[in-house]
Amino acid sequence: KAGVTQTPRYLIKTRGQQVTLSCSPISGHRSVSWYQQTPGQGLQFLFEYFSETQRNKGNFPGRFSGRQFSNSRSEMNVSTLELGDSALYLCASSDAGPANTGELFFGEGSRLTVL
Amino acid sequence: AQSVAQPEDQVNVAEGNPLTVKCTYSVSGNPYLFWYVQYPNRGLQFLLKYITGDNLVKGSYGFEAEFNKSQTSFHLKKPSALVSDSALYFCAVRDFSGYALNFGKGTSLLVTP
Repeated sequence: KAGVTQTPRYLIKTRGQQVTLSCSPISGHRSVSWYQQTPGQGLQFLFEYFSETQRNKGNFPGRFSGRQFSNSRSEMNVSTLELGDSALYLCASSDAGPANTGELFFGEGSRLTVL
Repeated sequence: AQSVAQPEDQVNVAEGNPLTVKCTYSVSGNPYLFWYVQYPNRGLQFLLKYITGDNLVKGSYGFEAEFNKSQTSFHLKKPSALVSDSALYFCAVRDFSGYALNFGKGTSLLVTP
């Protein structure tokens, strides 16, 4: 089974631009969540989607948004980029079924640098 | 809110010695606890989890963790460290508001030859 795939792996943007990151979950997984990882703040939860619905959202400004498609693939968007948005963005999927015990499977991440 | 704390930023251990990476938790109800490992420029890899049952949980790569309810701890252990175990280790607890995980700040493990 293929793992979680994130694209692009690396990207450089300038302040004020916007960026879209993509995530393809493990086949059969319907839950996709996003995390931001920075040296100062560690791993912070952004949002979680299940069957195209956002079920949970972390404490991030409205510039951070996401969506999930009918095939469970997900995208996140950051608008009006700031220097502080430079981070590794990690996507994770889970089967989220009745027996779900919360285990997440992570992708390799998309490293965003904002100049 | 469900939270975990990792009191050590870095742990140094010699190869062949036992290692312990500490984690304490603060939750209401029964915790779902996890350990993940991250190698440089990579995503997180699942090591093990505690849901219920035996307090000693065995996981990947020879790691195990001991759940201690009285001390609210979930320390990660390995009897004999390898240089290849050098990485960043994260403890996490499931957030019961959804399917999110709340992570600790991470502990950098350095195993020297």
